[in-house]
Formats: sequence, structure tokens, C-alpha cells
Amino acid sequence: QSALTQPASVSGSPGQSITISCTGTSSDVGNYNSVSWYQQHPGKAPKLIIYEVNNRPSGVSDRFSDSKSGNTASLTISGLQAEDEADYYCSSYTTSSTKVFGGGTKLTVL
Amino acid sequence: EVQVVESGGGLVQPGGSLRLSCAASGFTFTSFEMNWVRQAPGKGLEWVSYATSSGTAIYCADSVKGRFTISRDNAKKSLYLQMNSLRAEDTAVYYCVRGRYGSYWGQGTLVTVSS
Repeated sequence: QSALTQPASVSGSPGQSITISCTGTSSDVGNYNSVSWYQQHPGKAPKLIIYEVNNRPSGVSDRFSDSKSGNTASLTISGLQAEDEADYYCSSYTTSSTKVFGGGTKLTVL
Repeated sequence: EVQVVESGGGLVQPGGSLRLSCAASGFTFTSFEMNWVRQAPGKGLEWVSYATSSGTAIYCADSVKGRFTISRDNAKKSLYLQMNSLRAEDTAVYYCVRGRYGSYWGQGTLVTVSS
């Protein structure tokens, strides 16, 4: 149950787009179209922002989108805003009927 | 309003036990699998365990296998995590999380394992 691999940090200026990758294996990300993405602001509980490839819960901005190719999923945030500064985590089911998270990515809005 | 509220955290000595509870409201509890996810201080998220909607199937991470047991009482709309043989590395905020994709998270309960 190794954690999915995410970059430790990414940054971008307001209005720009950024992409956060999430790399797993054929036993997790590559085997399911059910990668989820979470946003966590300091001191707060995580919040689901994307699930099952480009599905957004009600109230989540369409500036958030994702995609998947092979064993790598990617979260894209377009039109960066100051409020997007947070930690982002990906998650996937595994073929062992368990779940696994990525190590997390800190997004800094310059 | 959907709510999941954790309780039961606290300070416990290494080797000790603790039972976490999660009270759910505002949704049909029996329709959702439920999870425990933890976050050590300053660290990332770690999935701990989940129980299917009926509770007949449960799964847990290797890091807690044999020590932690998840259970649920659908009549009481509650989820539990029995934690035994606690170690310092189990120190974390434990979140109760609704559903396959984690659509709702509680505010968490802090478990500190220290002598």
C-alpha cells in the first residue's frame, strides 16, 4: 500500500493554470476511473473537489478539472485565485479493496 | 444538513486502547460505506479503514491490521474504530468520512499516544 506520488509543491500566479500529478500503479490509479481529489486549507478538514474523473460535487467551481492517462491522474486548476492556496490530495481504490492517498501537494498562489 | 461528528479521542499510553465513535445525521446512513482517515501532525492523509454500507465487509490498511477494528451500528447511525496496541506513530487526527469518494468529512478527533 505505497502512497501515490504527488509533487510536494506547485505554485502559480493569479489567473494562471496549474496541474498537479498523481502517479500510482496498475493496481490502483491505472485500474480504476475512481480517483478522487481533495482540498485542505490549514486547520480545516479536507473537502472533496473531484471524483470519478471530472465529476464535481455541488458547489465546487468548474475551474477544477481532472484527467487520467495510464497510471497517472492530474488535477488542473484554471484561473487561479488566492483562495485556491491549500494542500491537495489524490486518492484511489486499489485492487486489494483498500484505498490509498497521495502524499499531498502544497499549492502556493504567488 | 449532512453531519458526521467524531468523538473519543484523547491521550493514551503506548500499548493502550481507545474507541472512537462517529455519529452521522442528515443522510441515509445505510446507503453509504464509511471510512476512517487519519492525519499525523504536519503530515498527509492516510486511509485507515472502511466498512461497506451493511457492515458485512470491512477493510483496513496494513499499518493498523490486527490492531484496529472498524464497525458500524446502522440502527444508531454510528461508526466506530476500536484501536488496540496503540503506538506513538498512531498519533493523529482521525476523521470520519462518508462514502466511497469521501463526500463529507467530520472535523476530526485527536488521538495522542504518549507516555
